[in-house]
Amino acid sequence: DTAVSQTPKYLVTQMGNDKSIKCEQNLGHDTMYWYKQDSKKFLKIMFSYNNKELIINETVPNRFSPKSPDKAHLNLHINSLELGDSAVYFCASSQNPGIYGYTFGSGTRLTVV
Amino acid sequence: GESVGLHLPTLSVQEGDNSIINCAYSNSASDYFIWYKQESGKGPQFIIDIRSNMDKRQGQRVTVLLNKTVKHLSLQIAATQPGDSAVYFCAENAGGTSYGKLTFGQGTILTVHP
Repeated sequence: DTAVSQTPKYLVTQMGNDKSIKCEQNLGHDTMYWYKQDSKKFLKIMFSYNNKELIINETVPNRFSPKSPDKAHLNLHINSLELGDSAVYFCASSQNPGIYGYTFGSGTRLTVV
Repeated sequence: GESVGLHLPTLSVQEGDNSIINCAYSNSASDYFIWYKQESGKGPQFIIDIRSNMDKRQGQRVTVLLNKTVKHLSLQIAATQPGDSAVYFCAENAGGTSYGKLTFGQGTILTVHP
């Protein structure tokens, strides 16, 4: 069983389009995250939700909107996609990041053309 | 802002050698550190962690050393194997108002030659 699953794995889309990435975890964790990994492999946090409540919102354009319908799901919707949005997006979950760290999904490679 | 960084972006070793990957951090409030391994096309995978009240922790073939005086973290891999080839990241959790957020370092590419 996949602990943290993201869909789709690959996403190619044109500038200006709106797209969503879905994430689900079956670990029973309370906290979920979205990270962006750029072409230089740098991982930067975007958002975090704890039990459906937004707790971390880094400086991310408001074209990015996370949604958590329940604590097992955290989706990422992106409006008006730009070339600079091309990256790998990782979902992660944790019960207590200060004790256990994160479990990551396998990533969604977004390419904006 | 404060960040976690790495001294060496790439490391090439021969199979069977020991590998050492280094990481410098600047946030003195960080109390929990993790090393992650990321293979091509996959998400980062937890390797080993260490709390700030420790200076060494050992796992299977891996050892993490923490030097709080100079804010330095290292990952030692014994008898490196081709399957160890990956990007390795250190990450820190600062606690306090940063609770819940892991800050990642730049990453080191480890290549193991058979």
